[in-house]
This record gives sequence, C-alpha cells and structure tokens, in this order.
Amino acid sequence: TQLLEQSPQFLSIQEGENLTVYCNSSSVFSSLQWYRQEPGEGPVLLVTVVTGGEVKKLKRLTFQFGDARKDSSLHITAAQTGDTGLYLCAVTPYQTGANNLFFGTGTRLTVIP
Amino acid sequence: SQTIHQWPATLVQPVGSPLSLECTVEGTSNPNLYWYRQAAGRGLQLLFYSVGIGQISSEVPQNLSASRPQDRQFILSSKKLLLSDSGFYLCAWSVRRGLAGEKLFFGSGTQLSVL
Repeated sequence: TQLLEQSPQFLSIQEGENLTVYCNSSSVFSSLQWYRQEPGEGPVLLVTVVTGGEVKKLKRLTFQFGDARKDSSLHITAAQTGDTGLYLCAVTPYQTGANNLFFGTGTRLTVIP
Repeated sequence: SQTIHQWPATLVQPVGSPLSLECTVEGTSNPNLYWYRQAAGRGLQLLFYSVGIGQISSEVPQNLSASRPQDRQFILSSKKLLLSDSGFYLCAWSVRRGLAGEKLFFGSGTQLSVL
C-alpha cells in the first residue's frame, strides 16, 4: 500500500500554461513537504506546510495543505522550462514517530518551450 | 555552511561483486543520516537511517547493509550485488524541526548499474 499518491504521474505542457499537481493520502500528517528533483541530482526542498488549510507562495508556485492535513496541491502559474523536473511530496507519519520521511510516487513535469 | 558529499557519481558492477558507497557531511554535528534508493524517475524508497554513530535502522530487508563509523560518515554496502540492486542511490542528512518534520538535504546521488 502506497502511503502517498501523486497525480498525475506525467504532465507535459507548453511554456506559459498553468498547472496543478496533487498529493493524496488517507492518513493525517503533522506536516508535508514538497521537493523538486532534476535528472541526475538529489531532490531539493521547496516548501513545508504545517497547518491545515495553509497556503504558501514561492514566486509562481502556490502550495496548499488540505484542511484535514491529508492532502496537498502544488499550482504553478505561467510555467517556464526551468520548472521541468520531478515533483515529490513527503511526510513524516504520526505512527512511525521518529525520523522517517516517506516520499510520494512523484509527478514528472515537462515544460515545452 | 553545511555540505554533503556522495561518491562515486556512477558505478557499473557485475552481479555478485561487493559494493561500498560513501557519504560524508560537513558543517554540522550529530545529523540524522539516510540512504534512499530511487527507481528510474520515480519516488524514493527509504533504505536505512541513522540517528547516531553505530545506530542504524533498516526499513527494507534486503541485500544491503549500512554503517556509521563516524558522526558524519554513512556507508552503504553489499557483499554480493544482485541485478535488482540497480538504481539511483541518494544519501541525505536532516535537521529536526519539531512539527515541521525533518528537512532533508540530499547528496548528488550514485547511479548504480549491476550487469
């Protein structure tokens, strides 16, 4: 059973378009993180959301944590070719305690010039 | 500032050969350390994590082992590689931030191909 499901798996859009990707689970989390990974590199943290309903903006990226803290979305406005990459959400489940960070299945975004 | 070094960047090994991947962190003390494996273009699978020297937790029983001989050194090993061990291996360290959870900083990864 996958703890986190991300959708869509693959997304290909034209430069300038808007898009939204999702991270869903049936479990509740104290916090959720979004990472972006470029080919041949390690993931880089974009944002952490903690409060249910929280919205955070990072330039053209808008992150939202669901009211029930079970899901999150990432919206990109006016996508650029530099946004291309694998977007991963990650959580520390309540029940594991400790230091584990579990990652979603990822959304691979390709922005076409 | 903190940095993480992981090597080698790429590795091609025959089935049945041993493996040793090394990761070191600079600029921080007593970090949490992690080894993840990633299938091509997909999510990360946690293999091992460590909260201190000699303390290793394994998440997935398999052909691999990990060791932490020094505070900022984390090693991933295998005595005999299998074809299924191929993948992109990532080392990471973290800072615990309470309710905000672990903030992970990743190395640049090792692409392992077992032939």
